[in-house]
Amino acid sequence: EVELIESGGGLVKPGGSLRLSCAVSGFTFSEARMSWVRQAPGKGLEWIGRIKTKSEGGTTDCGTPVKGRFTISRDDSRNTLYLQMNSLKTEDTAVYYCTTSFSVAYRGYWGQGTLVTVSS
Amino acid sequence: QSALTQPASVSGSPGQSITISCTGTSSDIGSYNYVSWYQQRPGKAPKLMIYNVSDRPSGVSDRFSGSKSGNTASLTISGLQAEDEADYYCNSYTSSSTYVFGTGTKVTVL
Repeated sequence: EVELIESGGGLVKPGGSLRLSCAVSGFTFSEARMSWVRQAPGKGLEWIGRIKTKSEGGTTDCGTPVKGRFTISRDDSRNTLYLQMNSLKTEDTAVYYCTTSFSVAYRGYWGQGTLVTVSS
Repeated sequence: QSALTQPASVSGSPGQSITISCTGTSSDIGSYNYVSWYQQRPGKAPKLMIYNVSDRPSGVSDRFSGSKSGNTASLTISGLQAEDEADYYCNSYTSSSTYVFGTGTKVTVL
């Protein structure tokens, strides 16, 4: 059974940092491009960024709202995806999902999401 | 990168067909066949319904179909059922090597 389990969410002050994790099981993690998507309360989906596989160079692409503040990384030995979030703003408050939906391999899996609240 | 444009809401009666449009630009939908559609029920994670414009993942009903013409993609739900009531989002790859979601459409089954 495929599982993607996000963790690390919580309450953080503006300007603070947080690292989210996405632990994967049930498929060969190293073969999947992984992405982060977020959804602010009552709002639509927003693509944050993705990381390619190591065999593809492991390069990352991020959307404009988070570029320079958020960093995506992966540890294939731990089957885990990370999202390092720095200089957090109140508008970063959202549920953060990891997903393989933008990967050719193992396409379409989503985690249950983890809530990040940025507030003073 | 601006969000793709979708109608805020679409409704239909059980058994009918509805179509949700998703309008982008020549820098996203118009240039790539990497359009996907997601269904999201309240409080749940999104579910991939269509990828690469018109391909369905295994397990997704064939009542769902996708197409594209120019800068506009469409999702058609035929034989509308009560369980189809949800929010639907389109997504496209862009010339900036990123992806962009649509504004979302609430589907109501009357």
